[in-house]
Amino acid sequence: DVKVTQSSRYLVKRTGEKVFLECVQDMDHENMFWYRQDPGLGLRLIYFSYDVKMKEKGDIPEGYSVSREKKERFSLILESASTNQTSMYLCASTTWTGDPRGAFFGQGTRLTVV
Amino acid sequence: AQTVTQSQPEMSVQEAETVTLSCTYDTSESNYYLFWYKQPPSRQMILVIRQEAYKQQNATENRFSVNFQKAAKSFSLKISDSQLGDTAMYFCAFMKTSGNQFYFGTGTSLTVIP
Repeated sequence: DVKVTQSSRYLVKRTGEKVFLECVQDMDHENMFWYRQDPGLGLRLIYFSYDVKMKEKGDIPEGYSVSREKKERFSLILESASTNQTSMYLCASTTWTGDPRGAFFGQGTRLTVV
Repeated sequence: AQTVTQSQPEMSVQEAETVTLSCTYDTSESNYYLFWYKQPPSRQMILVIRQEAYKQQNATENRFSVNFQKAAKSFSLKISDSQLGDTAMYFCAFMKTSGNQFYFGTGTSLTVIP
C-alpha cells in the first residue's frame, strides 16, 4: 500500500526556533507538496517540488523554505518560527503523469508556536 | 491559475437522507482531474471519488456520486443514505493531468445527525 509519512503528528516550538517538518513517500513520486490547513481557508499551497533539488513557490511561501535532496524526502523549514505559523501542515505526493488516484497524503503535523 | 470554490462552509443532514455538496472551479485547461476528499477527525485525507474531465459519464462509488457539468465548471458530490461515519470535512480538488498542480477548495464541514 502506498504511503506518505510525516515525521511528527504534533509539535510545539518556541518563537524564533528553526523548525523542520519532514515528509517521506515510498511511491517513487516525482511531485511533492506542502500545504498549510487553516479553518475557513482550506488547504493552501506553500511549496511544491517536481524533482530532486527542484522547487516552486506556491501561494504562501513567505516565512518558509524547502529542501529536496532525495526523491523520496521533502522537508519544510520554518527559518524562524512565529506564532502566525501555528497551523496544520499536510504533505502530499503525485506522479508526473498525474495518477488518476490523485494525491497521497501524510497524516498531518499540527504545529503550535508559543 | 486554477481556483476551486466551495460555497457551503457547513452542512448537516439527517441519517439515511441525501445531501449534495457544491463545488465550482475555474481553469483554462481542457483535460484535468477532479476529486472529492474526505478528512475525518483523524486528519487523514481519504479519496472519496474522482472524475476525469474527458469523461462525460458521472462517476459513482457506492453511496457517492458526482454531477459533473464541464461547461459550467461545476462538480457537486451527492451522498445518499448518509451515515454517521460520513461526518467529516469534505474538500473538492482540481489536478492538472501532469500532476504538478493540485488545488483545493476551502472545504465543507458535513455533520450527519442521528
